Amino acid sequence: KNQVEQSPQSLIILEGKNCTLQCNYTVSPFSNLRWYKQDTGRGPVSLTIMTFSENTKSNGRYTATLDADTKQSSLHITASQLSDSASYICVVFDRGSTLGRLYFGRGTQLTVWP
Amino acid sequence: EADIYQTPRYLVIGTGKKITLECSQTMGHDKMYWYQQDPGMELHLIHYSYGVNSTEKGDLSSESTVSRIRTEHFPLTLESARPSHTSQYLCASSEEGRPYEQYFGPGTRLTVT
Repeated sequence: KNQVEQSPQSLIILEGKNCTLQCNYTVSPFSNLRWYKQDTGRGPVSLTIMTFSENTKSNGRYTATLDADTKQSSLHITASQLSDSASYICVVFDRGSTLGRLYFGRGTQLTVWP
Repeated sequence: EADIYQTPRYLVIGTGKKITLECSQTMGHDKMYWYQQDPGMELHLIHYSYGVNSTEKGDLSSESTVSRIRTEHFPLTLESARPSHTSQYLCASSEEGRPYEQYFGPGTRLTVT
């Protein structure tokens, strides 16, 4: 059972608009949560990383939030650009395993139209 | 941009052929990983390595094999490719003590006909 669930599965917005992507997780013990951006045919690139004690973190037009109590995170994109079209993947790190296991969501496929 | 490279980027090959997907990193990372990703699905760990001469199978069963003879190099081999092996293969690495900070290569899109 996938322990990281993302919604929506896909999203289409117009250029310049804002959007929010959701991530719910059940991974425990939780260590940190990272949002990746994956362009088509490319590897994931890290956008933000958040630890248990952090509520909000920004990286340019990307703002991630974390509620460790409800085990929810969101990624807000402001003033979207065509180059934001990509899959956004939520990844949670389980510090309880020997390897330090990463749990991946299936991603939200964002398409920005001109 | 991470210093991790994969070749080839795209490969179309016939059933039964032997293939090797190359992965190299210049960051001196001890840990390296291979993931398999199908469209719209999450990444699945198929192999990982703690260092030279160390290889382990991941969560997803795979008919592929890996080797780690040099720190910077972590190739993946399929002895006899089948259509079910069609997928995207992503290589990643992380430094000691930071397994949550994985840097990914651009991936190899494999199609077996």
